[in-house]
Amino acid sequence: AQSVTQLGSHVSVSEGALVLLRCNYSSSVPPYLFWYVQYPNQGLQLLLKYTSAATLVKGINGFEAEFKKSETSFHLTKPSAHMSDAAEYFCAVSDDRGSTLGRLYFGRGTQLTVWP
Amino acid sequence: SQTIHQWPATLVQPVGSPLSLECTVEGTSNPNLYWYRQAAGRGLQLLFYSVGIGQISSEVPQNLSASRPQDRQFILSSKKLLLSDSGFYLCAWSLQGASGAFFGQGTRLTVV
Repeated sequence: AQSVTQLGSHVSVSEGALVLLRCNYSSSVPPYLFWYVQYPNQGLQLLLKYTSAATLVKGINGFEAEFKKSETSFHLTKPSAHMSDAAEYFCAVSDDRGSTLGRLYFGRGTQLTVWP
Repeated sequence: SQTIHQWPATLVQPVGSPLSLECTVEGTSNPNLYWYRQAAGRGLQLLFYSVGIGQISSEVPQNLSASRPQDRQFILSSKKLLLSDSGFYLCAWSLQGASGAFFGQGTRLTVV
């Protein structure tokens, strides 16, 4: 079975500071990994994805994530936080096996607060 | 390009009333379709997924059901709502594992 653990349900940073949101996964096959962002009362928007190409993945809004197989991690970073980054972030894992084709397994989410 | 439509955006329903939420996808064929529920502080819970017309898999036994009458239409229903059915419901579609899933704007359901 696949699973995702997001360390820290709440993260607070000052504007301009580094953003680091942690995600660890468990998968018995090579995974596909994703980060999504959710603004209040909206659906989830795909930020970036890892699909076995480059281990450092760049996404929208200046975010990037690095796939580390040895650590089973896929942490999300942004060098300089902006007020507009305040939102909830979800890490997810997927694969292409059988009847669960494309099914995503989500972490519980991390609420990012950005202080002025 | 592909789009996903989900409605209504908000809904207030009394306990014991029926429910029907609809989701349609445009611009793709034979997508995998999903219904998720998001309750405050509890992350995303997969309720149902479908890999084809009439094929529904339920992840969690509960008061809800899903149907897929057409290739790109996914409906979430209940015969009698409970207070615990309140939450934010999200429809999503995908084609394969590497593509990820794409979400609708959600329905905020409040059962009173």
